[in-house]
Amino acid sequence: QQQVKQSPQSLIVQKGGISIINCAYENTAFDYFPWYQQFPGKGPALLIAIRPDVSEKKEGRFTISFNKSAKQFSLHIMDSQPGDSATYFCAASFGTGKLIFGQGTTLQVKP
Amino acid sequence: ETGVTQTPRHLVMGMTNKKSLKCEQHLGHNAMYWYKQSAKKPLELMFVYSLEERVENNSVPSRFSPECPNSSHLFLHLHTLQPEDSALYLCASSQQQGESYGYTFGSGTRLTVV
Repeated sequence: QQQVKQSPQSLIVQKGGISIINCAYENTAFDYFPWYQQFPGKGPALLIAIRPDVSEKKEGRFTISFNKSAKQFSLHIMDSQPGDSATYFCAASFGTGKLIFGQGTTLQVKP
Repeated sequence: ETGVTQTPRHLVMGMTNKKSLKCEQHLGHNAMYWYKQSAKKPLELMFVYSLEERVENNSVPSRFSPECPNSSHLFLHLHTLQPEDSALYLCASSQQQGESYGYTFGSGTRLTVV
């Protein structure tokens, strides 16, 4: 119930392509869904987040798509760049805000 | 710098050693957290402090002992660790405990237990 399942574990995309990372959850009480980006040697940093009252949120090349009925949400990176190569974590929380993280996806964007 | 500073960045310790990890935040936040990050596993919440009071301990073994002397500083005291405790230990802070957004993470301490 508390888990957030993330896939794929790793992803290789050509420069200019679209990177898609998916997450699924079970607990319908979750009301906040952030994505974190982590570069090697750094801690995770908040990238973009969404609440379940909207189905999509876009910030620059990054878009979250949210499907409440399917209990799934995904991160789309348009026009992927080598500088986007990092590990991405989805997460979910509710109420007291304890963040439950997915397992992470290592993205490599090839030049 | 993100506003959350962790030292040391790397630590190698023997199983019989005692060491401490330090976290300092310059953001005026009231809540601080310790997370453990192991390869191919989700980030694991270890401890939560709110206004210097421990509010959550996620079944962490007693060989990990947190200390929060004030709202800007958080320590993780380590003793008689096991090799499986080798991981990246991340500190984070937020304005209030339980805030869903605004988690700021430090860069972590890479711990290796030999």
